[in-house]
Amino acid sequence: GAVVSQHPSRVICKSGTSVKIECRSLDFQATTMFWYRQFPKKSLMLMATSNEGSKATYEQGVEKDKFLINHASLTLSTLTVTSAHPEDSSFYICSAGRTGSNSPLHFGNGTRLTVT
Amino acid sequence: RKEVEQDPGPFNVPEGATVAFNCTYSNSASQSFFWYRQDCRKEPKLLMSVYSSGNEDGRFTAQLNRASQYISLLIRDSKLSDSATYLCAVNIGVRGSARQLTFGSGTQLTVLP
Repeated sequence: GAVVSQHPSRVICKSGTSVKIECRSLDFQATTMFWYRQFPKKSLMLMATSNEGSKATYEQGVEKDKFLINHASLTLSTLTVTSAHPEDSSFYICSAGRTGSNSPLHFGNGTRLTVT
Repeated sequence: RKEVEQDPGPFNVPEGATVAFNCTYSNSASQSFFWYRQDCRKEPKLLMSVYSSGNEDGRFTAQLNRASQYISLLIRDSKLSDSATYLCAVNIGVRGSARQLTFGSGTQLTVLP
């Protein structure tokens, strides 16, 4: 079964609105989670590293005020796309790994965002 | 130069064929390597880790060549259900979390009946 849950799986919103995406580790603690974005027929691009109890680390070119990340507990990270525009339409995927383990990362089921 | 490069394909092969994918990485300090499978409009799922000595899981064989900085995936006796995009992933490990992965662009495979 899924070990990382992401919600919602699909969202359609109007330009200018904000959308929150949740990523939960279901049966393990994850001090670090990762947020990726994937455009059609392209690879996953790391947006930011979410750190429990501290600020997220953003990749170059990713606006931290545009993509707000909150990692308030050891099992939950949220990504909020603020003032969404059509160019933000994409597939957003989170991943997490068990804290203190070198086991491979598990991915959430992804959120397909469409901004109209 | 991209940190991780893959041939995007597409690879169209008949059922039962053997197909191989390569993935090159630029950072010689890369520490761990993986192959993921991604079905259309779904999240990536781990197919297998890649170990220095090479490893096999059923019809799938992964190899790592540190000297030439590439990893490979071999699929034998391909099935229709193998049709997907195959992503290689590398742990660069030079910044941030050691668990942070960089992905190749993916290689699309279609197995034909």
